[in-house]
Amino acid sequence: KAGVTQTPRYLIKTRGQQVTLSCSPISGHRSVSWYQQTPGQGLQFLFEYFSETQRNKGNFPGRFSGRQFSNSRSEMNVSTLELGDSALYLCASSSGLAGGPGDTQYFGPGTRLTVL
Amino acid sequence: AQSVTQLGSHVSVSEGALVLLRCNYSSSVPPYLFWYVQYPNQGLQLLLKYTSAATLVKGINGFEAEFKKSETSFHLTKPSAHMSDAAEYFCAVSEEGSNYQLIWGAGTKLIIKP
Repeated sequence: KAGVTQTPRYLIKTRGQQVTLSCSPISGHRSVSWYQQTPGQGLQFLFEYFSETQRNKGNFPGRFSGRQFSNSRSEMNVSTLELGDSALYLCASSSGLAGGPGDTQYFGPGTRLTVL
Repeated sequence: AQSVTQLGSHVSVSEGALVLLRCNYSSSVPPYLFWYVQYPNQGLQLLLKYTSAATLVKGINGFEAEFKKSETSFHLTKPSAHMSDAAEYFCAVSEEGSNYQLIWGAGTKLIIKP
């Protein structure tokens, strides 16, 4: 079974631009979660989608948005990029609820975003 | 509100020594607890999880963790460290009442000395 794939793996953007990151979950998984990881802030939860509906949301500004398609693939969009958005963005999938007792979350390798 | 505290941003042990990574949580209801590991330049991987069955949970790569309700702790241990254990370890908690949203600790980098 193929793992979680994220594209692109590396991205360089300038301040003010917008970016879209893509995540393909493991086949059959309906939950996709997004995380931002930085050396200073650690691992920060962005949001979780389950069957195309946003179930949980972290404390990020409205510039960060996401969506999930009917095939469970998910995209994350960041508008008006700031220098502080430079981070590793991780996507994870699970068949059921991400933090539920009956499931395991599988992570992709991440997209490294650099904002200049 | 739930929170997770991992004591020590860096822990250094000698190869062959005991590994102990500390995790304390706050939760008003029975929690679900997780340990994940992140090897350099990779995503996270589940090591083990506590879901209210046995309090001593065995995971992959020889790791185990014990849920201690009275101490609100879920420390991760391994009897004998191996060089390949060098990685960052994250503790996380969720509860049913919060929609199972995972709350993450800050992570602990495990350094193995030869």
